[in-house]
Order: sequence, then C-alpha cells, then structure tokens
Amino acid sequence: EAGVAQSPRYKIIEKRQSVAFWCNPISGHATLYWYQQILGQGPKLLIQFQNNGVVDDSQLPKDRFSAERLKGVDSTLKIQPAKLEDSAVYLCASSAGQGRYGYTFGSGTRLTVV
Amino acid sequence: DQQVKQNSPSLSVQEGRISILNCDYTNSMFDYFLWYKKYPAEGPTFLISISSIKDKNEDGRFTVFLNKSAKHLSLHIVPSQPGDSAVYFCAATNSGNTPLVFGKGTRLSVIA
Repeated sequence: EAGVAQSPRYKIIEKRQSVAFWCNPISGHATLYWYQQILGQGPKLLIQFQNNGVVDDSQLPKDRFSAERLKGVDSTLKIQPAKLEDSAVYLCASSAGQGRYGYTFGSGTRLTVV
Repeated sequence: DQQVKQNSPSLSVQEGRISILNCDYTNSMFDYFLWYKKYPAEGPTFLISISSIKDKNEDGRFTVFLNKSAKHLSLHIVPSQPGDSAVYFCAATNSGNTPLVFGKGTRLSVIA
C-alpha cells in the first residue's frame, strides 16, 4: 500500500510569512495526526483528526496555527505568521483505528524560519 | 512536563553486541508502549510494541521489556548491526485512545 505522502519536503521562509503543508494519509485510515518535531526533541502532537472532525487540538497554538481535513482524507496545516521557533520537522501520520497498532508516518516537511 | 523520558541522548555499541535502550514514563494511565526507529530525512517507523498485560515481547533481534512497578521499559537489540544505527523513540498511549506521547529519542550508533 502507498505510504503517507507529505509535501513539500523542505521549506525556508522569513519570519512573519505564512506557510502551508499538505498530507495525504493511507487510503482508508480514519485518524490523522500532525506532529511537530523540533531538533533534539521527540515528536509533539499538534492536532488529531478522526475523519474530518477534530479530536484533540489542545497543543495547537491557535493564534498562528490552523489545520483542516476536508472530506476526511487530505489535510493541510498552516502557520501564519511564522516565528523563528516554528523551525522544525512537521510530521503527518495516519492510523486505521486505535493508536495501539501504531501510526504510519510520512517523511515530514522540514521548515526553516529565518 | 515530560511524561515519557529517554535519558540517554546517544549510545554507541560494537557490531554483534547487545544494544539496550531505556525509557521511563510517569503517567500511570499509559498501558501500551511502542518503539519507533527513525533514519535521517525519513519519518519514524514502527518497530515493536508491548501491552501492559505483558512484561516481554520479542520480534526477531528486538525484545522489549516492561517493568510496570518501576514505570520503565527497555529495548534490547541482539546482535546489533550497522543498519540499526538510527534514532529510537519510545512512545506511550492509554489503550490507544489517546495520541502517542513520545520521548526525546536515543541516537544509536553501531560501529563495525
């Protein structure tokens, strides 16, 4: 089966600019996650979708970050305006059901804010 | 507040020897634990998991041990191979009903 697709792979922007990331999960996977991984840290959950509804966005900085999952398939994560501390790898993952069976991660988007 | 801790940022092991990666957790609601492996420029990939009803799970060269009373788990790789060189993340969840919480990772280097 095809894996989780993410684009772009790399992005460099200036602070205060906006950026968007795209994720296409594994076909049929109802649950989609966006994680932020800052260098030297483990992945940190930003938002969890179940189909096209938000399950958990408690750690999403809502003043600058937004995410949507239209039609319960693809998802986009947006940052506006970006700050230097947003430099990180943004990982998208999907799972068929409960997380106990593991997530499948995409390769991530490496964002550098200068 | 780190709920999953990997206190060793790096580990270096000779090829053929055992690699032991450690993980501690603080949240007693966690009952399912997973290890992920990450190569540079790739996403983490699932390696092995263990439920709290077990104290050991084995898959080929990889074995995970769980000590619930100590809130500690470890991943053993025997024998270690150069291709095992990667960053290993420990993750935990509450019956899969909560999103995975990850540790900071341990970078394993297997020296030929």
